[in-house]
Amino acid sequence: KNEVEQSPQNLTAQEGEFITINCSYSVGISALHWLQQHPGGGIVSLFMLSSGKKKHGRLIATINIQEKHSSLHITASHPRDSAVYICAVLPPLGGTYKYIFGTGTRLKVLA
Amino acid sequence: NAGVTQTPKFQVLKTGQSMTLQCAQDMNHEYMSWYRQDPGMGLRLIHYSVGAGITDQGEVPNGYNVSRSTTEDFPLRLLSAAPSQTSVYFCASSYNFEGNQPQHFGDGTRLSIL
Repeated sequence: KNEVEQSPQNLTAQEGEFITINCSYSVGISALHWLQQHPGGGIVSLFMLSSGKKKHGRLIATINIQEKHSSLHITASHPRDSAVYICAVLPPLGGTYKYIFGTGTRLKVLA
Repeated sequence: NAGVTQTPKFQVLKTGQSMTLQCAQDMNHEYMSWYRQDPGMGLRLIHYSVGAGITDQGEVPNGYNVSRSTTEDFPLRLLSAAPSQTSVYFCASSYNFEGNQPQHFGDGTRLSIL
């Protein structure tokens, strides 16, 4: 079993829909990152979370440390949101300096 | 700022050849890392560095070497290329390893080993 699991693996939505992508992890962490990988391959950092909730434009990320679970929400989805969304966790400070990545959720938003 | 620059973008090698993938950042970041991305698998850490002169192995280090002689540069060397090393390689950097700093990724190198 992978230490970081994402669901769903693939998601197709209609433009305007509310989208949720989930990330569950089985290890202790100091932080969790959400990344976006564009169809061209480039990877950008969306959020870094250690507790609570963050919002940037139409994107919202939440984390529940006790349940070892994070969600990424996209409101009013748009075709330009089509990408692979990747969850990555960071071990506690003082441990190894190694991120652990999920396999990603491939999102396609149809016009 | 240029950010994280990876070269080359594409490369085809024959089995047994050696080569170096270049990675440079101009943000004075302490932490740099190399990942490989294969279909159906998440990014996997090959090697990382927490500062000039300090490197350590990641999850899949076999067949690869790194060095960090300067803060800016973190080259990845394939010693004797094997078909199993066909992959997309990403270099990334961050200011430090506090968890509250984003990772900045290069555009990737698509490597094919024949």
